[in-house]
Amino acid sequence: AQKVTQAQTEISVVEKEDVTLDCVYETRDTTYYLFWYKQPPSGELVFLIRRNSFDEQNEISGRYSWNFQKSTSSFNFTITASQVVDSAVYFCALLSNTGNQFYFGTGTSLTVIP
Amino acid sequence: DTGVSQDPRHKITKRGQNVTFRCDPISEHNRLYWYRQTLGQGPEFLTYFQNEAQLEKSRLLSDRFSAERPKGSFSTLEIQRTEQGDSAMYLCASIPLQGTTEAFFGQGTRLTVV
Repeated sequence: AQKVTQAQTEISVVEKEDVTLDCVYETRDTTYYLFWYKQPPSGELVFLIRRNSFDEQNEISGRYSWNFQKSTSSFNFTITASQVVDSAVYFCALLSNTGNQFYFGTGTSLTVIP
Repeated sequence: DTGVSQDPRHKITKRGQNVTFRCDPISEHNRLYWYRQTLGQGPEFLTYFQNEAQLEKSRLLSDRFSAERPKGSFSTLEIQRTEQGDSAMYLCASIPLQGTTEAFFGQGTRLTVV
């Protein structure tokens, strides 16, 4: 079974604070892909990052960083020095080896307070 | 424009009417997905195409829903005899068959059934 769990439903932080969004996944596939998407109030899903199961290197892109740990089946997302524009719902997703569907978590709603 | 394009962006329809949405994937992307998202929820899988073949279909896709992808290019999603419960955002995504690097979603079609 494939499953993505985002235990944090809502998070509020004050601007400039760091925040980490958790994502835990389940899969029996040895090859799979993990994604993070941002969904602002406009509704579109904005692609942030993709990771494949063979690449456990952490990645940093500006204020964003991702920590992929296969040992704990986690793919956490950290925003450093948060800004009001970071306020959105963030989704973690798993694409199976067959590529037949994305499995989404329930999302974490982040509010950055000025 | 090299992104995934969806049309229309918004659709208001009366209950019982039929509606059709269109998705134009990124050129040369073989895989195409349809998802549905209701307010406060994560995207739910509806169906998956690899080229023109519909390979996966969710149980959510009742007999009132049908999707096509003629010639493996654009795709249409039709809902017949719409119900108020069909009100949602309908999202389309595409990725290449090989070398999954990024997975882009369109801006979605927001359907309101009154």
